[in-house]
Amino acid sequence: NAGVMQNPRHLVRRRGQEARLRCSPMKGHSHVYWYRQLPEEGLKFMVYLQKENIIDESGMPKERFSAEFPKEGPSILRIQQVVRGDSAAYFCASSPTGAQYFGPGTRLTVL
Amino acid sequence: QQQVKQSPQSLIVQKGGISIINCAYENTAFDYFPWYQQFPGKGPALLIAIRPDVSEKKEGRFTISFNKSAKQFSLHIMDSQPGDSATYFCAATIPSGSARQLTFGSGTQLTVLP
Repeated sequence: NAGVMQNPRHLVRRRGQEARLRCSPMKGHSHVYWYRQLPEEGLKFMVYLQKENIIDESGMPKERFSAEFPKEGPSILRIQQVVRGDSAAYFCASSPTGAQYFGPGTRLTVL
Repeated sequence: QQQVKQSPQSLIVQKGGISIINCAYENTAFDYFPWYQQFPGKGPALLIAIRPDVSEKKEGRFTISFNKSAKQFSLHIMDSQPGDSATYFCAATIPSGSARQLTFGSGTQLTVLP
């Protein structure tokens, strides 16, 4: 049973470009969470999704960030017009209910 | 406010020693307290978790002690090994409908010397 998969593992973007991060949850898991980890810090919750629905986006910046979890395919975290402050590791976690299992993360570097 | 405070920031332990990491929380609505282990370049891995109706939970060399009245919980790693060197995060969550976002502590970087 494959774990949570994220791609790409590393992503480099120039300021103003768009970043698209993908997350495929574990088989049978219908809950997806996105977290952001800045260097030397803990993870901060961004958004929680179920299939085709955003359940809680209270941790997501109001501008430039969006997330989706379509009926088919992976969950996508999209960051438009990236800035240097967006450089971080972005982790998704999936859950049947309760415990959350994390993917390996996408490390975004904005030049 | 949903906040979890973790200490120490870094910890150095000799092989075979006991590693102790502490967390304190404010929100009494928290009802699930997991610990995660993270190696450099990897995602956090669930290590052990506890609910507030239990004062202690042990899994192998890892033990969580929970003090509900003090709103504190701690991770004890017995017989620490160099392979345990990693960053450890405590976390907490509240039931909010079906959403259970985790609130993380700031992390403890553990180094176990051979």
